[in-house]
Amino acid sequence: DTEVTQTPKHLVMGMTNKKSLKCEQHMGHRAMYWYKQKAKKPPELMFVYSYEKLSINESVPSRFSPECPNSSLLNLHLHALQPEDSALYLCASSRPSASYNEQFFGPGTRLTVL
Amino acid sequence: KQEVTQIPAALSVPEGENLVLNCSFTDSAIYNLQWFRQDPGKGLTSLLLIQSSQREQTSGRLNASLDKSSGRSTLYIAASQPGDSATYLCAVNRDDKIIFGKGTRLHILP
Repeated sequence: DTEVTQTPKHLVMGMTNKKSLKCEQHMGHRAMYWYKQKAKKPPELMFVYSYEKLSINESVPSRFSPECPNSSLLNLHLHALQPEDSALYLCASSRPSASYNEQFFGPGTRLTVL
Repeated sequence: KQEVTQIPAALSVPEGENLVLNCSFTDSAIYNLQWFRQDPGKGLTSLLLIQSSQREQTSGRLNASLDKSSGRSTLYIAASQPGDSATYLCAVNRDDKIIFGKGTRLHILP
């Protein structure tokens, strides 16, 4: 199984809502990532969980909070988002080796904030 | 600070032609470089990963090369097909810091 799954595929939420994005992989990978991608732009790294240790891109606002319940699951909790947070949110996983760190991406969640 | 540049930003070629996409990076201290394909509104599909100690990788009609000392990588696509139309992204990796280029939008004309 070389698949990363993400749910939901699409999400529309208001600025006062609380929602969560989910990501799952069963490849035994010990590193998982959240990226944000705006239209016609490359993905930007938001968070990395590697062996349950969290690394944060310091430019990411606190209205985004990651959670890693176990090594196969990664959630992204959303609260009080802004319209400019509308984007494609991509999850990825990898086997965290220094030299061989091939990333496998999920299909993404298309988020629209009204 | 690592910067990744992809040239050209967009490319249209007739079906059947061979083509080369370019990727350059400013800091040669990388662990590996990965090429991805992205269809509109979709996730990224990994095409090839080249470790820093390697010079090239091949998969089917795709060949990727890496010259770490000069900070360059190329993706060669042989005998292009309309199904190859997509955005191609390169990304360099060090210490779980993955930096992407802005991509090359490729359109193969039938």
